[in-house]
Amino acid sequence: GDSVTQMEGPVTLSEEAFLTINCTYTATGYPSLFWYVQYPGEGLQLLLKATKADDKGSNKGFEATYRKETTSFHLEKGSVQVSDSAVYFCALSGGSGGSNYKLTFGKGTLLTVNP
Amino acid sequence: GAGVSQTPSNKVTEKGKYVELRCDPISGHTALYWYRQSLGQGPEFLIYFQGTGAADDSGLPNDRFFAVRPEGSVSTLKIQRTERGDSAVYLCASSSRGNTEAFFGQGTRLTVV
Repeated sequence: GDSVTQMEGPVTLSEEAFLTINCTYTATGYPSLFWYVQYPGEGLQLLLKATKADDKGSNKGFEATYRKETTSFHLEKGSVQVSDSAVYFCALSGGSGGSNYKLTFGKGTLLTVNP
Repeated sequence: GAGVSQTPSNKVTEKGKYVELRCDPISGHTALYWYRQSLGQGPEFLIYFQGTGAADDSGLPNDRFFAVRPEGSVSTLKIQRTERGDSAVYLCASSSRGNTEAFFGQGTRLTVV
């Protein structure tokens, strides 16, 4: 079945540092790929998504590019802020002939940004 | 409403007891989902409703778990004869249709002692 593997945390950075959180996936077909973020005390929120190969999703300074050749969707941000401290989840849907409504998540990566 | 609302936010129950977890989706959203997030893991799909019917319940772990959505809005996840392994955060999400962005609630943390 489909699976998502993401970089284990926790990740601790200083403000304005560069962020990369690695994510790779296993799925046949053409899944859609997502990054969700969970801020302390809040529900999961969609951060960005990409629906086909070579698409780049972007939001709030974060970017991720759908790389089918490496089955990856790494999350990057050029300069993190304290307010980016959260848990980040990589996810996919629609792989292996599965349904588009069903999300398969990675385990999550806790990011802490210090001032 | 403003977002997906889940009640209670925390629930502690004794092993063997019955529990109900409630989800109020965003008004007008026809699709509703339940996920379970165990400690240190990502959310895992349980069930998907389109309107009143369960379109996909393939993620329910066994027959102790059941969910309803009788009027196509509020949903209740029901767990019978709870076990310690059922302890997790139960997440509800809704979307305007089955393949559009899902909006998540804050979850119900269930602890079975």
